[in-house]
Amino acid sequence: AQKVTQAQTEISVVEKEDVTLDCVYETRDTTYYLFWYKQPPSGELVFLIRRNSFDEQNEISGRYSWNFQKSTSSFNFTITASQVVDSAVYFCALSEFQGAQKLVFGQGTRLTINP
Amino acid sequence: GAVVSQHPSWVICKSGTSVKIECRSLDFQATTMFWYRQFPKQSLMLMATSNEGSKATYEQGVEKDKFLINHASLTLSTLTVTSAHPEDSSFYICSARDLLPLANQPQHFGDGTRLSIL
Repeated sequence: AQKVTQAQTEISVVEKEDVTLDCVYETRDTTYYLFWYKQPPSGELVFLIRRNSFDEQNEISGRYSWNFQKSTSSFNFTITASQVVDSAVYFCALSEFQGAQKLVFGQGTRLTINP
Repeated sequence: GAVVSQHPSWVICKSGTSVKIECRSLDFQATTMFWYRQFPKQSLMLMATSNEGSKATYEQGVEKDKFLINHASLTLSTLTVTSAHPEDSSFYICSARDLLPLANQPQHFGDGTRLSIL
């Protein structure tokens, strides 16, 4: 069975600090996808990134960066120079590579950026 | 980009009422749609996978007679919460899987429906 663990339930930092959100996953599949989504207070899910399991290159997109370590089954997300608008709940998710590609979500990390 | 419209955004109704939620893919065709439920301060839990023209596949613990899913076309899936009770109050979110998925975003989410049963 697939499982995603986000051990950090809540994180609170002061604006401009860097913050890393942890994600650890479990799967028996050799190929799979990993995702990060942002859920602001309004509730909609905002897609941030998808990474396939055979691409371990780290990715940077503006202030966001992702570190995929297959050896430790982790897919961590870092926000540099955080801003108040980054406050949201962030979900890490896992899906099978083929088939229905159902998403299995982690518990989410509530990030609060204080001015 | 691909858009999924979910309607209504929120609904308040009395216990015992049946409530229908629509999920439409506006500019793409979706053979597969997913329905998720999210209780306050909790994660999203997959309820069922909806396939166009066939019966939905429900996750363990989800009552198929309670949550009726119909996926009659490539652009529309509906979730009907039958005889809703206060414990059914939740945030329901649908997603649609594009037949021709964009490079990195195979599923597109609706904005969700907040259901409150009094």
